[in-house]
Amino acid sequence: QKEVEQNSGPLSVPEGAIASLNCTYSDRVSQSFFWYRQYSGKSPELIMSIYSNGDKEDGRFTAQLNKASQYVSLLIRDSQPSDSATYLCAPRGVMKTSYDKVIFGPGTSLSVIP
Amino acid sequence: KAGVTQTPRYLIKTRGQQVTLSCSPISGHRSVSWYQQTPGQGLQFLFEYFSETQRNKGNFPGRFSGRQFSNSRSEMNVSTLELGDSALYLCASSSGNPGNEQFFGPGTRLTVL
Repeated sequence: QKEVEQNSGPLSVPEGAIASLNCTYSDRVSQSFFWYRQYSGKSPELIMSIYSNGDKEDGRFTAQLNKASQYVSLLIRDSQPSDSATYLCAPRGVMKTSYDKVIFGPGTSLSVIP
Repeated sequence: KAGVTQTPRYLIKTRGQQVTLSCSPISGHRSVSWYQQTPGQGLQFLFEYFSETQRNKGNFPGRFSGRQFSNSRSEMNVSTLELGDSALYLCASSSGNPGNEQFFGPGTRLTVL
């Protein structure tokens, strides 16, 4: 089982719609969860952090965390063409063989169609 | 507060050569992690340095090495370059406290010919 899995893309949504990005992780002791946005040719940019079960909202972005299900998601409301990018899920915590390592998912490519 | 800086931004080398990349973290951050990103493999963890000590290591061959200085700046070295080492090398800065966010630099694009 891969350590971090994300829904396969590319994901296409029309402008103004809600984009839903999903992520599952295998390490039960992960405590911190991050979402990064990466535009083509650029470095990843941190857009959301979530540490507790439930929802966390920041502008058009909502992160949802369910530690029991080892699942974290990112919702983007009112999607804009500028949201077109690859979104990386990154749980952080004590892994089996190392301390406090960040493992990145493979990313989901999002395309917002005008 | 200044962000993470990486130098050089672009580099072209030939097989067999070695290369050194540099990363300066955000002021006050003590942890620097290095990642390799390729289209096929995604973002792969190389190693993390915290207070001049390697704290974590990924599954890369010994040709990949790093170090961190007392001012938290870090260097990554790749010896005997191979074509497959062509990639975007990213460093990420963090306070080093458990669970804290990482912030990425702009990356160094390495091309091996």
